[in-house]
Amino acid sequence: KQEVTQIPAALSVPEGENLVLNCSFTDSAIYNLQWFRQDPGKGLTSLLLIQSSQREQTSGRLNASLDKSSGRSTLYIAASQPGDSATYLCAALDRGSTLGRLYFGRGTQLTVWP
Amino acid sequence: DTGVSQDPRHKITKRGQNVTFRCDPISEHNRLYWYRQTLGQGPEFLTYFQNEAQLEKSRLLSDRFSAERPKGSFSTLEIQRTEQGDSAMYLCASSYFTSRGMSSYNSPLHFGNGTRLTVT
Repeated sequence: KQEVTQIPAALSVPEGENLVLNCSFTDSAIYNLQWFRQDPGKGLTSLLLIQSSQREQTSGRLNASLDKSSGRSTLYIAASQPGDSATYLCAALDRGSTLGRLYFGRGTQLTVWP
Repeated sequence: DTGVSQDPRHKITKRGQNVTFRCDPISEHNRLYWYRQTLGQGPEFLTYFQNEAQLEKSRLLSDRFSAERPKGSFSTLEIQRTEQGDSAMYLCASSYFTSRGMSSYNSPLHFGNGTRLTVT
């Protein structure tokens, strides 16, 4: 069974810092890896999706990388802002199922203070 | 806005009662998923549909839980004889899936805002 771990569980930084959030997964036979943002009491917003054949994806101040061989993905946030405060979740889509089951980590709770 | 919508947003019920949640996916999406999330945890997979067919169910989906997607559009998730352990956020998501020969593609999942269930 796929297991996804996220480190750190929580992070508190001043505005302007560059951040790295880590995600690791146990089974490298993934179809893709997706990063989500979740605000308190809300659903998930998709940030970036990296296909298994890709190494990274970028959107604005966000950059996600994928290293399947080591079972790791990182989310890099440049020049953090208070509006970035949220929980960030990574999820791996297994090839083993009919591409239907995402395995989530517990998330990294990010606080960016002014 | 044509995102995934869920109803109700909040549901408080007494133990032993039955509850039903509804999810309307993005109209072009043929796949619909149900996840459950408890406080401090990531979402856990419950089940998913492709069109009206239920393709996979988690062991978390006990016989008190049933999900339907009768016409391949909206879906309902029913919990019978609710227990306090059922208290959670129930999230619905949708995606577009296509396959041709050996290759297949699943678009990013789009989630709704969830239904928060509290069982007292």
